[in-house]
Amino acid sequence: SQKIEQNSEALNIQEGKTATLTCNYTNYSPAYLQWYRQDPGRGPVFLLLIRENEKEKRKERLKVTFDTTLKQSLFHITASQPADSATYLCALINDYKLSFGAGTTVTVRA
Amino acid sequence: GAGVSQSPSNKVTEKGKDVELRCDPISGHTALYWYRQRLGQGLEFLIYFQGNSAPDKSGLPSDRFSAERTGESVSTLTIQRTQQEDSAVYLCASSWGSGHQETQYFGPGTRLLVL
Repeated sequence: SQKIEQNSEALNIQEGKTATLTCNYTNYSPAYLQWYRQDPGRGPVFLLLIRENEKEKRKERLKVTFDTTLKQSLFHITASQPADSATYLCALINDYKLSFGAGTTVTVRA
Repeated sequence: GAGVSQSPSNKVTEKGKDVELRCDPISGHTALYWYRQRLGQGLEFLIYFQGNSAPDKSGLPSDRFSAERTGESVSTLTIQRTQQEDSAVYLCASSWGSGHQETQYFGPGTRLLVL
């Protein structure tokens, strides 16, 4: 069956450090992968999309990698700030349908 | 401009009652999606609309769930004879089109609690 697994543990890091989140998938062959941020009581907000032929994508302090051989995406938040505290979701795209992981909650301590 | 809005923001109902959840997408967005998010779990796809038609209803959990969309705008998700396992956050999203690279914009969700 198809599975999308993200870090099962919440991530607690010190301000200024880099947070690295993992998204592993099985029985999918996605051409695209997206990362979203979700704050408590709110809907997910789109952050980045990466294509299968792109190894790495950056947006400000965010960096995403996509390894279709390992079936894995890594999401990095560099120079983390308390305002980065949220749950981060990876999503695989099949045509129009998004399939989401359960998310990883990141807490950045000042 | 205005984002996706949903109402009500919270709904508490008794088991066996029917509920209607409303979604107002971003104006001009032709695609609309409903997802369900149970506590501690990822979002589950329920249904997709392109315009007023629903080419994919594959995620609806049972025939107690139905949805419609009118005027390429508002959508209503109806759950009949609610059960306790229906308790979840129901999220609506919309996008300009439905291609691979389209960004889906999510509403804040309706938190449904079935007692």
